Amino acid sequence: GQQLNQSPQSMFIQEGEDVSMNCTSSSIFNTWLWYKQDPGEGPVLLIALYKAGELTSNGRLTAQFGITRKDSFLNISASIPSDVGIYFCAGSYNFNKFYFGSGTKLNVKP
Amino acid sequence: DTGVSQNPRHKITKRGQNVTFRCDPISEHNRLYWYRQTLGQGPEFLTYFQNEAQLEKSRLLSDRFSAERPKGSFSTLEIQRTEQGDSAMYLCASGQWGEETQYFGPGTRLLVL
Repeated sequence: GQQLNQSPQSMFIQEGEDVSMNCTSSSIFNTWLWYKQDPGEGPVLLIALYKAGELTSNGRLTAQFGITRKDSFLNISASIPSDVGIYFCAGSYNFNKFYFGSGTKLNVKP
Repeated sequence: DTGVSQNPRHKITKRGQNVTFRCDPISEHNRLYWYRQTLGQGPEFLTYFQNEAQLEKSRLLSDRFSAERPKGSFSTLEIQRTEQGDSAMYLCASGQWGEETQYFGPGTRLLVL
């Protein structure tokens, strides 16, 4: 199947800092989704991207659909303790199924 | 609550037993997906339905796994003769054709002893 490489695997940051994470694919995608997952819960959709080059914001979160269509980026500005969790990227070519990265675990120190 | 719901939330079973999980999607969504997630990994696609038709199945879905969505609303995922390797979180997601997003339920955590 498709391989999605998500980095970094984990991050330890101070409250108030900005965070960047990215996801790369071996194949072209037409849709990128970013999710946040808390322990024992299902992933919660944060941002959806549908066009190469697209930049979309949701509050303090900003995500971009890479020009090559093989990558995507998520930035979190001014992190707060409730940002703690695991962030997943997911890509799809035809919306029949999504391929997920292995996640970026974010820890925020108050 | 109009989100995706899954039941049960937790299931402990002995190896060799059969288990069945249920997913109720967001009511107006015509697409329903099943994923499996193991510790430290992202969700892995198992299968998806468009209305009642099962349109794609992953090679991960062995003969012991079967999914149905008989009336195009709720779906069930059955695992027969469970093995310890089946222990995982089973996630259901729903979406609407044309909107290209997926919304997940809380998952069913399965432990096979």
